[in-house]
Amino acid sequence: SQQGEEDPQALSIQEGENATMNCSYKTSINNLQWYRQNSGRGLVHLILIRSNEREKHSGRLRVTLDTSKKSSSLLITASRAADTASYFCATVRDRDDKIIFGKGTRLHILP
Amino acid sequence: NAGVTQTPKFQVLKTGQSMTLQCAQDMNHNSMYWYRQDPGMGLRLIYYSASEGTTDKGEVPNGYNVSRLNKREFSLRLESAAPSQTSVYFCASRVDRVGNQPQHFGDGTRLSIL
Repeated sequence: SQQGEEDPQALSIQEGENATMNCSYKTSINNLQWYRQNSGRGLVHLILIRSNEREKHSGRLRVTLDTSKKSSSLLITASRAADTASYFCATVRDRDDKIIFGKGTRLHILP
Repeated sequence: NAGVTQTPKFQVLKTGQSMTLQCAQDMNHNSMYWYRQDPGMGLRLIYYSASEGTTDKGEVPNGYNVSRLNKREFSLRLESAAPSQTSVYFCASRVDRVGNQPQHFGDGTRLSIL
């Protein structure tokens, strides 16, 4: 069963705007990870946030984690055409370290 | 660095045929995984190997077998392919099964079963 559920399923924004994607999950986690998948390629790890962290930054990426609400968000600032991809959250379950992927958000950056 | 390498990249099979998907990693990782990705379903774990010499079932293991040949290589076998196994298959590796480490993915094998 899927633990992480991304929202929205698809998102189209203008180049230069910020893109926000959300992930909700159901059980206690060890950490939460975000991945990007370009068309026809494998997933690439973007950022990992531990359960005791609330916010993390990496370049134009900002990830937040709210364990009380069992949710995370990924913010991409100043979007570029190259950011067009699918984005997945993956939760690492606390009790058994099982990694569970969500169904992804398809992001399209319009020129 | 090659990272995770999957072969072949594309394959078309007839129902009932068998084949083995190959995966190799050069990062000295202990854990390796096989996923399938279907439209609207995200990634689903088929089998994983926490360390050399061990394999365990994931979420959707039926119709598949795996072999952890050595620390570098983890293969996935379809003994009698069925149209429901048409999918994109991804291999991934991780330093260890536990801990705060990401997975590293290959670029996938696109498999069609006619």
